[in-house]
Amino acid sequence: DAKTTQPTSMDCAEGRAANLPCNHSTISGNEYVYWYRQIHSQGPQYIIHGLKNNETNEMASLIITEDRKSSTLILPHATLRDTAVYYCIVRVPNYGGSQGNLIFGKGTKLSVKP
Amino acid sequence: SQTIHQWPATLVQPVGSPLSLECTVEGTSNPNLYWYRQAAGRGLQLLFYSVGIGQISSEVPQNLSASRPQDRQFILSSKKLLLSDSGFYLCAWSVQTGLWPQHFGDGTRLSIL
Repeated sequence: DAKTTQPTSMDCAEGRAANLPCNHSTISGNEYVYWYRQIHSQGPQYIIHGLKNNETNEMASLIITEDRKSSTLILPHATLRDTAVYYCIVRVPNYGGSQGNLIFGKGTKLSVKP
Repeated sequence: SQTIHQWPATLVQPVGSPLSLECTVEGTSNPNLYWYRQAAGRGLQLLFYSVGIGQISSEVPQNLSASRPQDRQFILSSKKLLLSDSGFYLCAWSVQTGLWPQHFGDGTRLSIL
């Protein structure tokens, strides 16, 4: 799986948009970008994933650059409960076993402040 | 809807004691199942995965073993715990094919004394 690079930490004001960047310059053509987050002392929570088109769901939006070498996760109106470590992962689709396993790096610690 | 349960939430064990952590999934059939460990301040490390009953693959050599006696049950075990086995253990499941993401339980925090 391709390696990703994320800032160690970021701050965001409550109610504002949180934009979390991720670089994945060595991503291959069949690798998807996945985002998870982990709130302290809980298991990681899936947020969103995409291949090359921008994606949106009830939690967030994912913007992937045209060359696919970077992406941005957007939380449109951050709340205090969005304070967590956010992980950007690139991997091939889960076709079973090791091919679909997630490799988590250190992620970005997002602190939402009142 | 699908749910995943792990227990216990926290566990304190002496060195050399045995271990059994259990994970069960509800609301789906024939899932892929995974055990991860997260050491303090570090990312997740995949320990084992299973694509079916009795089918276990190990990602790293270690003091732990896994078993899948039923379709939606995944067990992490050790005969003799080491200090280095301390950490946050997470079970996850996913649909077996395609783009489906992995969904995690709330984890077990294991402390070895």
